[in-house]
Amino acid sequence: KQEVTQIPAALSVPEGENLVLNCSFTDSAIYNLQWFRQDPGKGLTSLLLIQSSQREQTSGRLNASLDKSSGRSTLYIAASQPGDSATYLCAANQAGTALIFGKGTTLSVSS
Amino acid sequence: EAQVTQNPRYLITVTGKKLTVTCSQNMNHEYMSWYRQDPGLGLRQIYYSMNVEVTDKGDVPEGYKVSRKEKRNFPLILESPSPNQTSLYFCASSLGYNGKLFFGSGTQLSVL
Repeated sequence: KQEVTQIPAALSVPEGENLVLNCSFTDSAIYNLQWFRQDPGKGLTSLLLIQSSQREQTSGRLNASLDKSSGRSTLYIAASQPGDSATYLCAANQAGTALIFGKGTTLSVSS
Repeated sequence: EAQVTQNPRYLITVTGKKLTVTCSQNMNHEYMSWYRQDPGLGLRQIYYSMNVEVTDKGDVPEGYKVSRKEKRNFPLILESPSPNQTSLYFCASSLGYNGKLFFGSGTQLSVL
């Protein structure tokens, strides 16, 4: 059964720092992997979607990579800002099974 | 505005009293799904629907029912709620099974 792990569970950085969030999955037979952002008391917002045939996707200061062979995805945030503070979740989409989420990394960016 | 709308936002009920949480999307999406989010357990999929009249179980379907009679609506039904169903519930939709997911704002359910 697919398992998705996110390390670290929490991360604190000063404003302006570049950072990497990690997501690992146990079964490489995925359709895609998505990264989401969740603010306290709010729903999830999709940030980036990487299809299984792609290696990376970029949106503004965000870059997500996917390495199916090693079962890893990373979310790179450049020049972090206090407004980036949130919980970031990744989810693996696999044929015939439920969408499996990691438990998230809670990011705090201090000014 | 493209959105997924859940109602109610907050709900307090008692054990055994049937309830329905509604979900509606205005993006003509084929795929819709329900999740629950619990501290320490993260988000888990309850049910999903690939299209009208097509539904399937997710990871934690016990105690829940769904129906998809129209493309835009995907209600979640708790026939006999129990305290272990106290949770934060999210509805989501996407154009297809492997598309970008759009989430509703969530329903905080408390079963006493």
